[in-house]
Amino acid sequence: EVQLGESGGDFINPGGSLRLSCVASGFTFINAWMSWVRQAPGKGLEWVGRIKGEIDGGTTEYAAPVKGRFTISRDDSRDMVFLQMDSLESDDTAVYYCTTEGQHWGRGTQVTVSS
Amino acid sequence: DVMMTQSPLSLSVTLGQPASISCRSSHSLLYSDGNTYFYWFHQRPGQSPRRLIYKVSNRDSGVPDRFSGSGSGTDFTLKISRVEAEDVGVYYCMQGSHWPPGYTFGQGTKLEIK
Repeated sequence: EVQLGESGGDFINPGGSLRLSCVASGFTFINAWMSWVRQAPGKGLEWVGRIKGEIDGGTTEYAAPVKGRFTISRDDSRDMVFLQMDSLESDDTAVYYCTTEGQHWGRGTQVTVSS
Repeated sequence: DVMMTQSPLSLSVTLGQPASISCRSSHSLLYSDGNTYFYWFHQRPGQSPRRLIYKVSNRDSGVPDRFSGSGSGTDFTLKISRVEAEDVGVYYCMQGSHWPPGYTFGQGTKLEIK
């Protein structure tokens, strides 16, 4: 059974940084493309970015609102993907989901950016 | 950038009756490899999203056959043949054919039971 588990969400001041983690199990992680998707309170789904699998170069792509501030990385030895979030803004407040390109989803982790 | 527009934004359906949700893309979603990277998701209140349909019309594992997807190019439809209580929640369409901007969701359609 595929499982994804996010962690690292917190309450943080504007301008701060936070690193989210997602641990995967139940599938071959090394070649899996992984995305982060967020959902602001009461709002819809918004794709944040993705990282390709090792066989595809492990390259990353980002949505315009987070490009230059967020960085996705992966550790295939631990079946984990990370979302490093810098220069956080109040608009980044959301539940952040890790997903295998939409097929499987974690339960999400809450990030609140507020002073 | 490609935009995804869903209609209606809310839907009230009697149990056992059909329902239909439309999603229109601002650009054709037919990709150069011949595939159309268009998806439907369902999110129940307080839960994570669940993918229902991939590449326009393919049901994900475990998705009841009362759900069906159709369409091509810029116009797509999700149909529920007979709505059940567990179908309440918000339905989202999503495109993955245009990069950038990357995966793009529709605004969501909230389905409730009348």
